[in-house]
Amino acid sequence: DAGVTQSPTHLIKTRGQQVTLRCSPKSGHDTVSWYQQALGQGPQFIFQYYEEEERQRGNFPDRFSGHQFPNYSSELNVNALLLGDSALYLCASRTTGSMAQYFGPGTRLLVL
Amino acid sequence: QKEVEQNSGPLSVPEGAIASLNCTYSDRGSQSFFWYRQYSGKSPELIMFIYSNGDKEDGRFTAQLNKASQYVSLLIRDSQPSDSATYLCAVTGGTSYGKLTFGQGTILTVHP
Repeated sequence: DAGVTQSPTHLIKTRGQQVTLRCSPKSGHDTVSWYQQALGQGPQFIFQYYEEEERQRGNFPDRFSGHQFPNYSSELNVNALLLGDSALYLCASRTTGSMAQYFGPGTRLLVL
Repeated sequence: QKEVEQNSGPLSVPEGAIASLNCTYSDRGSQSFFWYRQYSGKSPELIMFIYSNGDKEDGRFTAQLNKASQYVSLLIRDSQPSDSATYLCAVTGGTSYGKLTFGQGTILTVHP
């Protein structure tokens, strides 16, 4: 049973650049959420996708955008990167019948 | 007031002891409660979830929920050095349906 996968594992960018992170949900899951985790903090909710639409959004600027594909995989895009965007970006998936979310290994983004 | 608060750590217990981790939440409409374990440099791993008042046991772990007091806890019996990690409490439902709201985490160290 394949778990949640994310790519890439690590990424280094410079301020002002754009980045795309990718996520494949756990087998059988159709809802994908993205979280940002700064060092020493709990994950912060960015947004959630279901049926290829953004269903909920956390307190993040429009520089953060996403997409969900028909196979339920998802992308997170961040434009105009800031130093403060450096964090671990986590993708989590679930089925619509459950609130339990399972996390992927994350993508560690460093903005210089 | 933070939405989800965890007891400040770090928490240190001897091997074989019971570790008690506590969490309070502010949204009285919250419906689902989760405990995640996060090893250093890794992503959160779901270890327990609870929906109803009372206790839920899974091996050495017991989750306790008291909705009237807006309080959820995790007990780890017979603590092992491998239990040393950051434990994250998360809630969903109410005004945050579908998204997980996390506490800041409690660092647990189990010493031999």
